[in-house]
Amino acid sequence: SQTIHQWPATLVQPVGSPLSLECTVEGTSNPNLYWYRQAAGRGLQLLFYSVGIGQISSEVPQNLSASRPQDRQFILSSKKLLLSDSGFYLCAWGTAENSPLHFGNGTRLTVT
Amino acid sequence: GQNIDQPTEMTATEGAIVQINCTYQTSGFNGLFWYQQHAGEAPTFLSYNVLDGLEEKGRFSSFLSRSKGYSYLLLKELQMKDSASYLCASMDSNYQLIWGAGTKLIIKP
Repeated sequence: SQTIHQWPATLVQPVGSPLSLECTVEGTSNPNLYWYRQAAGRGLQLLFYSVGIGQISSEVPQNLSASRPQDRQFILSSKKLLLSDSGFYLCAWGTAENSPLHFGNGTRLTVT
Repeated sequence: GQNIDQPTEMTATEGAIVQINCTYQTSGFNGLFWYQQHAGEAPTFLSYNVLDGLEEKGRFSSFLSRSKGYSYLLLKELQMKDSASYLCASMDSNYQLIWGAGTKLIIKP
């Protein structure tokens, strides 16, 4: 069966520090991969998605970036965090274009 | 523009039935998804509708009317564990999900 791992679960970082969140998927090949952010009481905001290794589409201009170095690995990064980067970050994967997305457990990021 | 509307919060009684409505406007349509999200946790997939009508899965059912741009999630025999946010998402012509802000469902004993 397919599983998705996302870490860390929680993170407290000072303003201006770098960020690296990692997500890996097991049990499937060539998944579509997604990074979302959810602010408190708000809907899901798509940040990045990838349909293959090295293929990244950015939905929202910001100081975040994403990379997909391997088929089932998706990384969210920042060189310098802002206070506004605080939120709940979710990695997700899907297969066919109209298949449901399956989410990792999320990372709660607090920028202080 | 693309838009999903659903109520912010609803309250229901344990054992009762509740219907959570969702209206959508997207560029093209490739299906309507419902997710459940408990506080502090990730969303989990509940249902998918692409054709008009009702899809039933145990205590949960989801309905779609494409001509009206409307869907609802029906929860029967409510249990305390059903207290959660319910997210509606429409898939547009580019197969991207457009998400609603979620409906927080509070179940009272």
